[in-house]
Amino acid sequence: AQSVTQPDIHITVSEGASLELRCNYSYGATPYLFWYVQSPGQGLQLLLKYFSGDTLVQGIKGFEAEFKRSQSSFNLRKPSVHWSDAAEYFCAGSSNTGKLIFGQGTTLQVKP
Amino acid sequence: DTGVSQNPRHKITKRGQNVTFRCDPISEHNRLYWYRQTLGQGPEFLTYFQNEAQLEKSRLLSDRFSAERPKGSFSTLEIQRTEQGDSAMYLCASSYGTASRETQYFGPGTRLLVL
Repeated sequence: AQSVTQPDIHITVSEGASLELRCNYSYGATPYLFWYVQSPGQGLQLLLKYFSGDTLVQGIKGFEAEFKRSQSSFNLRKPSVHWSDAAEYFCAGSSNTGKLIFGQGTTLQVKP
Repeated sequence: DTGVSQNPRHKITKRGQNVTFRCDPISEHNRLYWYRQTLGQGPEFLTYFQNEAQLEKSRLLSDRFSAERPKGSFSTLEIQRTEQGDSAMYLCASSYGTASRETQYFGPGTRLLVL
């Protein structure tokens, strides 16, 4: 069965520090992969997506993600975290019908 | 482009009552998705429409749930005889393009609390 796993439920980083959020997928073929961010009371906002080609994908707000087929991973990174980045982050994979399969989410807390 | 809108934003109801939520997608988006998100979890797929046709329903969608998208525009999600376990955030998303490669744009959600 298709699945997306985010091993870290909660992560705390200091403002200005680097960030990496983990995402692993299990699909029969390479899925299309997405990272979304959700702030309290808000809907999901797309940060970036991977379909094919260059395995390093650039997104909005200074985020990037790297697709690694050998590790079935699609980790999200940011070199320097800002307090406004505190939110919940979801990794998702797309099935061939377009429906998204989400991971459990990682809550990011940013320390001043 | 005003984005995806959902109404109401919050709904409190008593167990056994019926509730209906509305989603207005981005204009000209042919696909519309409903997801449910419970506390501490990622969204889970419920159903989706391509234009007015409902093409897939999750096993999560019991007989008490029904969704429509008349004329391929807005969509409604109705829950009959609500149960406390229905308490969740209901998210709507819309997209345009080829299924797997599309970007889904999400609305702010409707938070349902069943007492």
